[in-house]
Amino acid sequence: GIQVEQSPPDLILQEGANSTLRCNFSDSVNNLQWFHQNPWGQLINLFYIPSGTKQNGRLSATTVATERYSLLYISSSQTTDSGVYFCAVPGGATNKLIFGTGTLLAVQP
Amino acid sequence: DAGVTQSPTHLIKTRGQHVTLRCSPISGHKSVSWYQQVLGQGPQFIFQYYEKEERGRGNFPDRFSARQFPNYSSELNVNALLLGDSALYLCASSFFAGDSNEQFFGPGTRLTVL
Repeated sequence: GIQVEQSPPDLILQEGANSTLRCNFSDSVNNLQWFHQNPWGQLINLFYIPSGTKQNGRLSATTVATERYSLLYISSSQTTDSGVYFCAVPGGATNKLIFGTGTLLAVQP
Repeated sequence: DAGVTQSPTHLIKTRGQHVTLRCSPISGHKSVSWYQQVLGQGPQFIFQYYEKEERGRGNFPDRFSARQFPNYSSELNVNALLLGDSALYLCASSFFAGDSNEQFFGPGTRLTVL
């Protein structure tokens, strides 16, 4: 089955810093989603981005489907950005999502 | 509009008991999927339902079962609970069942098995 890997596994930032999170996947996909999981466990949709670039405030994402990777950019980080960031891709004909290994982000004041 | 809702938020059970978790999808969404997330890992797919039919099943034992109702809400049932079933159970909804449909997740049910 498809493999999804994320890097780095952990990241510590000072408030105001910028960061780039990477998601690599092993096969072509029709869909890629980025999520932020807050400390209470809620998975919050950040981007639905099968290809191209999207921006939402301080966050932006780029997916290069032909090279099988996606990047999530966080600019001017805030303490509320802390949590785990997951990328996920479909694992077959159904809408089953295969999640990456996650990046644990801690933003310090 | 209300997002995906799940109940209960927390649950404590003992080994061997049975549990039922509930999920209501976003209005207009016809597909519901269930995921299990154990501590320190990403969510793992359990089931997908679309128009009341099972469309996919992950690598989970037969103790896990689910169903979808005519109003598109869903239940996940787990029998003969084991300690290893302790996890966050997440429900996701999407308009349809295909792989190009964006999924939206509920807040989860945190199950503790003692």
